[in-house]
Amino acid sequence: GEDVEQSLFLSVREGDSSVINCTYTDSSSTYLYWYKQEPGAGLQLLTYIFSNMDMKQDQRLTVLLNKKDKHLSLRIADTQTGDSAIYFCAETPQDKIIFGKGTRLHILP
Amino acid sequence: KAGVTQTPRYLIKTRGQQVTLSCSPISGHRSVSWYQQTPGQGLQFLFEYFSETQRNKGNFPGRFSGRQFSNSRSEMNVSTLELGDSALYLCASSEGSSYNSPLHFGNGTRLTVT
Repeated sequence: GEDVEQSLFLSVREGDSSVINCTYTDSSSTYLYWYKQEPGAGLQLLTYIFSNMDMKQDQRLTVLLNKKDKHLSLRIADTQTGDSAIYFCAETPQDKIIFGKGTRLHILP
Repeated sequence: KAGVTQTPRYLIKTRGQQVTLSCSPISGHRSVSWYQQTPGQGLQFLFEYFSETQRNKGNFPGRFSGRQFSNSRSEMNVSTLELGDSALYLCASSEGSSYNSPLHFGNGTRLTVT
């Protein structure tokens, strides 16, 4: 079926790296996205990766894509309190976009 | 450029009523898509409009409908409201289709059905 899986919670100490994992289902997805949602707001695009790439780096963000295992990860280096939010991954099979249920990132002092 | 604007931010309705939500996309964006967000089901796709035509529809009952105007502004309507329709409704605009262009989301309309 169509289901994007993410763990629901992650706690990380300030200054450490956060790694948020996602498993998607459809290998035909051309784009794979990471979105961030802060309280009371809509989703904000963080980054995306084309399916023909293995890795993409954008400042503190690194996206890794393992197409064989249909596994996507988002690494946030030097995690700050402002990174506290819900992170959604999304796949794009054929003509639609399917979101995971989101990982709530909690920053410990 | 101004971002995606959704109105109203909050709505309280009673069962059986109907409601209309509005979304103004980023200038130049021709696609508007709508999503329902609930704690249990997460973010679920409702429908997408592109140049006034419904391009795609999610798995929601016919009580949920939408339309897009020539200026790309979009409205969604929910008739005969049920308690389970309580949710955050998000719209997003994009230059191309919702599945191959980055989405720009509004802050949502929080609908409470009592």
